[in-house]
Parts: sequence; structure tokens; C-alpha cells
Amino acid sequence: EDKVVQSPLSLVVHEGDTVTLNCSYEVTNFRSLLWYKQEKKAPTFLFMLTSSGIEKKSGRLSSILDKKELFSILNITATQTGDSAIYLCAGGNLEETSGSRLTFGEGTQLTVNP
Amino acid sequence: GAVVSQHPSWVICKSGTSVKIECRSLDFQATTMFWYRQFPKQSLMLMATSNEGSKATYEQGVEKDKFLINHASLTLSTLTVTSAHPEDSSFYICSARAFVPGSDTQYFGPGTRLTVL
Repeated sequence: EDKVVQSPLSLVVHEGDTVTLNCSYEVTNFRSLLWYKQEKKAPTFLFMLTSSGIEKKSGRLSSILDKKELFSILNITATQTGDSAIYLCAGGNLEETSGSRLTFGEGTQLTVNP
Repeated sequence: GAVVSQHPSWVICKSGTSVKIECRSLDFQATTMFWYRQFPKQSLMLMATSNEGSKATYEQGVEKDKFLINHASLTLSTLTVTSAHPEDSSFYICSARAFVPGSDTQYFGPGTRLTVL
């Protein structure tokens, strides 16, 4: 059974801090690792990673994948209160019959205090 | 781009009734749509995968006769919760994936909160 584990489950920081969120995965026929941000409603897409060692960056957020060690990290620098959300990591696999599917981790609840 | 809508956003119904939730991809054609359920403080649990024009593939433990999925077109999928019971109360989220070779990116709708009394 595919499994995605995120840590920590909860994190409280002050504005301006830098945070690192962790995601490890065991996914059959692994193809990609995705990060989403979920505020009050449905998740919004952040990154999709398919290659090891290549950092993806968007503003203050960056992420990297290690396919040998089966993990990914999401970094957020100079955090702001608007970064408060649940960050979800998902492993994507490739199935012959139904195409790829995502297995989600439990999420990391990030709270950024002013 | 890549906008997915869901309707309704919130529904309250009596036990025993059926509820239909619509999921639409507004600016792209979704060859595959996914339905998830999320309980409070838990992650998304995949219920089923639907490809346009074919039967949905349900995850283990999800009753296909209770959660009817129809993916009639490349922009619309519906989930019908039949004979709903209070334990079906949850946040239902759909996602859609365009046919882009090598891409697993799913774009999520805003979700539907179902409360069964």
C-alpha cells in the first residue's frame, strides 16, 4: 500500500522565520511528488517534482526531491501570516489502467504568528 | 488557467435522501477527474477515479452503489451520494487533470461540505 508521511504534523513560528517541511514517501511506480497548500477550502497547487536534486522555486517557497532517499522538503523563507495553512504532500504513481493517482500525506499545519 | 468549480459549495440534507455534487473544469478539458473525501483534521482520501466515457474506478472500501459517479463529458463529473446518512457528512473535493503526458498535476475544486441530519 502506498504511503506518504509528513513531518512535523504541526508547526508554530513567528513572522520572518524560515521553515522546512518534510515529506517521505513509499509509492509504487512512483513518478512525481506534489506539494499543495490548503487554507479553508480545497488545496491549491504549489509544485510538482519529478527529478532528483533540481530545486523548484516560487517566490519565498522552494522544494526539492531526493528519489534515492525517497523524500522531499518544502522550504518557506521569511514567513508571513498569510503562509498559515495546511501543506499537503502527495506522491503520484503511474498505473497502467487508470493513469496516475495521488496518495496524500496527513499534512503539516503551519501557523505563522505576527 | 486550470480552474475547477464545484456545486453546491454547501448542502444540508435529511437522512435517506440523495445528493448530487457537480465538478466542472472551466478552462480545460479534464480527461480524468478524481473525487476525494476529507474529514476534519485529516488528509484527503481518494474515493474514486473517473475517466470520461468509462466507468469510475473505486478505491477499496468505497461503495460504488452508494457513491455514484458519472463523467459524461470532458468538463463535467458528478458524484451522487445515495441514501445519505449522518456518517456521510464530510467535505467532498473533486480534482481534475488535463491530458498532459507526464503530468500528474491535479487541480482542485473548492469543495462541497455535506451535512446529513
